[in-house]
Amino acid sequence: DAKTTQPPSMDCAEGRAANLPCNHSTISGNEYVYWYRQIHSQGPQYIIHGLKNNETNEMASLIITEDRKSSTLILPHATLRDTAVYYCIVRPTSGSARQLTFGSGTQLTVLP
Amino acid sequence: GAVVSQHPSRVICKSGTSVKIECRSLDFQATTMFWYRQFPKQSLMLMATSNEGSKATYEQGVEKDKFLINHASLTLSTLTVTSAHPEDSSFYICSGKQGIYGYTFGSGTRLTVV
Repeated sequence: DAKTTQPPSMDCAEGRAANLPCNHSTISGNEYVYWYRQIHSQGPQYIIHGLKNNETNEMASLIITEDRKSSTLILPHATLRDTAVYYCIVRPTSGSARQLTFGSGTQLTVLP
Repeated sequence: GAVVSQHPSRVICKSGTSVKIECRSLDFQATTMFWYRQFPKQSLMLMATSNEGSKATYEQGVEKDKFLINHASLTLSTLTVTSAHPEDSSFYICSGKQGIYGYTFGSGTRLTVV
């Protein structure tokens, strides 16, 4: 699976948009970008995933660059409960039962 | 949405004893279950992959005789830590695979071996 690079930490003011970047320059054409987050001492929570088009759901938006070498997760109005470690994961979806491989992620701290 | 129920959430056991962790997929059938562990301030590390009705596949460095995985049904997978030692103290998390895209995680089990 392609390697991802994320900043180790970021701060964001409550109510403002949080933009979390991820580099995945070696991504292949059949690999999706997944975002998960892990609140302290809980299991990871799915946020969003995409292939090449931008995606939006009730939690966040995912912006993927045209060359697919990087992406940005956007939390439009961050709250204190969004404080968590955010993981950007790249993996193919070919029907095989392969695991998600977690990197070190970005610790997002939402400040009051 | 899909839910994986993991129990217990916390367990303290004495060194040398065994501990069983259960993961149940409540509203979907998890043909594949992944088991991870996470040490403090570190990321999740895959321990093993289990497919319903077959033997688990363990990652390099994970002792299969110490970490027994059973995936006897499409909705239940268990991890038993045998002869636990303090170095086995960790946060254990299961993840059920649903369909092509879905990976649903349990809430984790904090194991402390004293």
